[in-house]
Amino acid sequence: DAGITQSPRHKVTETGTPVTLRCHQTENHRYMYWYRQDPGHGLRLIHYSYGVKDTDKGEVSDGYSVSRSKTEDFLLTLESATSSQTSVYFCAISESGGANQPQHFGDGTRLSIL
Amino acid sequence: DQQVKQNSPSLSVQEGRISILNCDYTNSMFDYFLWYKKYPAEGPTFLISISSIKDKNEDGRFTVFLNKSAKHLSLHIVPSQPGDSAVYFCAASAREGAQKLVFGQGTRLTINP
Repeated sequence: DAGITQSPRHKVTETGTPVTLRCHQTENHRYMYWYRQDPGHGLRLIHYSYGVKDTDKGEVSDGYSVSRSKTEDFLLTLESATSSQTSVYFCAISESGGANQPQHFGDGTRLSIL
Repeated sequence: DQQVKQNSPSLSVQEGRISILNCDYTNSMFDYFLWYKKYPAEGPTFLISISSIKDKNEDGRFTVFLNKSAKHLSLHIVPSQPGDSAVYFCAASAREGAQKLVFGQGTRLTINP
């Protein structure tokens, strides 16, 4: 298994509070990604990083920010959580951004916003 | 606008028979396709992929077929085993922005003994 750890694994919080999810990798891969999984939508890309301090938006980036200060850590922040951000969040990594380099996923964080 | 669609939310197959999972796409810029398998409470795991320069790729019991003119791909599992019961996602990427995978909604496959 790819060395990817997501924390926390579960979180319940209230609308309007800030939330930060952490993804930690031990593979020294250059690319890291954040996805959300919702029924009827599959997985949708939120943000990704192609190096330390280098990030770009994905398909559903509104309401989310990311930071990558070290190769091994990629943080996803919800500045002011809303109920629509209740979801399962997956981090993924890949050695490069090439299509022939499959992304490998962590086990997810289940986030509930009440 | 769903660019990658898996129109069957679920599929039930008898053990030992063939499982066929389907996926359609609308973006003609997609040139690489992947299948992922997901068990409950775990992340998706990569299963098999295919480039648009091929029409078939095989890996053990798993074969992916690509029909570019129809914008359709399928995953065949032969023979199906109980451990294959999972949710299967197809995903696609374009050469420009290959790191931006676009996923289908998933198909839940159940293998019955």
